[in-house]
Amino acid sequence: EAQVTQNPRYLITVTGKKLTVTCSQNMNHEYMSWYRQDPGLGLRQIYYSMNVEVTDKGDVPEGYKVSRKEKRNFPLILESPSPNQTSLYFCASTNSGSRWNEQFFGPGTRLTVL
Amino acid sequence: DAKTTQPNSMESNEEEPVHLPCNHSTISGTDYIHWYRQLPSQGPEYVIHGLTSNVNNRMASLAIAEDRKSSTLILHRATLRDAAVYYCILNTDKLIFGTGTRLQVFP
Repeated sequence: EAQVTQNPRYLITVTGKKLTVTCSQNMNHEYMSWYRQDPGLGLRQIYYSMNVEVTDKGDVPEGYKVSRKEKRNFPLILESPSPNQTSLYFCASTNSGSRWNEQFFGPGTRLTVL
Repeated sequence: DAKTTQPNSMESNEEEPVHLPCNHSTISGTDYIHWYRQLPSQGPEYVIHGLTSNVNNRMASLAIAEDRKSSTLILHRATLRDAAVYYCILNTDKLIFGTGTRLQVFP
């Protein structure tokens, strides 16, 4: 089944403790991205990657890092999480960055930073 | 960034058609109009997209105004499973989500 998977689905952590949220897709998509969703603000893009070893900042990249060493994986790294990073995170992938392609979203990771 | 305007919420009865409006008066000639929906506790899900002509697929229809400054997502027969937040998005190299329209479907 074609899908985007994220792990963990739920995470509670404390300020400053480094964490990684994994994202993997099995559709051989070049383009992957991370979003965060907050009440009243909709989804905002954090980082995106056009292909392996190519990443770029989205609209809200501060406090986050990403890497794209393999085509299928696009982990989101929070080096020193803070409470304002408490949010619902979604990973997405698509065949390319073309504006006519549909994006496939993962199930989401709910992160709470205490 | 290109912006869309949607009503905050709409209601429908099951098996009735639903017309979800979207205004995008600042749309440029190459912007595709995309619709996604987000069911409770799930990630967004692609519904449909179009550029100029009306589009149909198994999930819905998309009616695009001649001047492209507005569009309407049409669910021909709403089901309880269609209760979700519907996002109208202009795909200008990336998806910019607004706050969408929350659709309630009553039995």
